[in-house]
Amino acid sequence: DQQVKQNSPSLSVQEGRISILNCDYTNSMFDYFLWYKKYPAEGPTFLISISSIKDKNEDGRFTVFLNKSAKHLSLHIVPSQPGDSAVYFCAASSGNTPLVFGKGTRLSVIA
Amino acid sequence: DTGVSQDPRHKITKRGQNVTFRCDPISEHNRLYWYRQTLGQGPEFLTYFQNEAQLEKSRLLSDRFSAERPKGSFSTLEIQRTEQGDSAMYLCASSYSANTEAFFGQGTRLTVV
Repeated sequence: DQQVKQNSPSLSVQEGRISILNCDYTNSMFDYFLWYKKYPAEGPTFLISISSIKDKNEDGRFTVFLNKSAKHLSLHIVPSQPGDSAVYFCAASSGNTPLVFGKGTRLSVIA
Repeated sequence: DTGVSQDPRHKITKRGQNVTFRCDPISEHNRLYWYRQTLGQGPEFLTYFQNEAQLEKSRLLSDRFSAERPKGSFSTLEIQRTEQGDSAMYLCASSYSANTEAFFGQGTRLTVV
């Protein structure tokens, strides 16, 4: 049973435009959400997080939105840059539980 | 501190051999996690430690797998009698506490031939 779902395996965006990556979760106990970026042959790199008491968190070009009623979160990257091309993972946890990851979305930013 | 360090980066082994991986977490982090990632999947949780105590093990962690974190510092993950299905990227991460961001190492790529 997949508790964190990223339904789009891939996404292509033109440089300078907005990238929107989506994530759905099923476990209503999740209260902490994160996005990671991963390049080939490297470990995931932490990007941004949000706790369930907020609905938005912003860090430079990256903004995460959380809709608890829909059990949905999204990562917005604006403006997108070629260096943003990578696989993006959504992850969630609750209390003491370890992070549960989605399967990832491959973002390609085209110059 | 340069972050989470894993050794080796790559390991090729014959089926049936034992392998051991090492992870050195960020020094002030109390929690240490092991994940496994295969092609097309996200990282899958294996086990985690709070200091030296192993608090949770996934059903993915068969009895051929064992992890230790002596003295709450570095951790080792051993796989006995490796099988081809064990081929994967093994990722270690650490965090300061629950519900804080976890930082990952570069991973150990295991290939069982």
